[in-house]
Amino acid sequence: DAGVIQSPRHEVTEMGQEVTLRCKPISGHNSLFWYRQTMMRGLELLIYFNNNVPIDDSGMPEDRFSAKMPNASFSTLKIQPSEPRDSAVYFCASSLGHRGYEQYFGPGTRLTVT
Amino acid sequence: GENVEQHPSTLSVQEGDSAVIKCTYSDSASNYFPWYKQELGKRPQLIIDIRSNVGEKKDQRIAVTLNKTAKHFSLHITETQPEDSAVYFCAESFSGGGADGLTFGKGTHLIIQP
Repeated sequence: DAGVIQSPRHEVTEMGQEVTLRCKPISGHNSLFWYRQTMMRGLELLIYFNNNVPIDDSGMPEDRFSAKMPNASFSTLKIQPSEPRDSAVYFCASSLGHRGYEQYFGPGTRLTVT
Repeated sequence: GENVEQHPSTLSVQEGDSAVIKCTYSDSASNYFPWYKQELGKRPQLIIDIRSNVGEKKDQRIAVTLNKTAKHFSLHITETQPEDSAVYFCAESFSGGGADGLTFGKGTHLIIQP
């Protein structure tokens, strides 16, 4: 199994630029989660999807953040415009949803906004 | 909303000794309690989990206990080894299965002294 795939692995951008993070969940998984990890705030849930439908986006920091899941094998998290406080590691995770409990994490994208 | 308190933030034990990490949660509807291990620069990985209908679960040197009345759960690692050094996160959700986002504690940095 390839596991959860995220790209890019590292992203350095300037403040004000648009950033798009990508995730491919494990094949057959129907729940997908976006988390953010920082030293100050720890691991935070941003948004999650069941069967490609957004269920809870209450963790999205503000309107600059948006996420989509156009099909079962792809999701994006977009930040526009980016700010230095968005610097973090962004993890995507997937699970079997109601058929299984474990969430499998991708390797993460380390985002640095200068 | 959900809140998970985790203690201690740092734990140093001698190799071969036991380590205990404790978490408390606030929402009585929570019914799934996983523990994740994260090595430096790596993704979080599930090491053990417990559901609300079980009080204790063990897997070799690792065990988790759950007290729903008191709303706390604990991770126990026996016969600690150098490779147990990592950051450990507790989490909770109230899903049916893995179709719900996780709320994480702030993490415990476990250091195994040789």
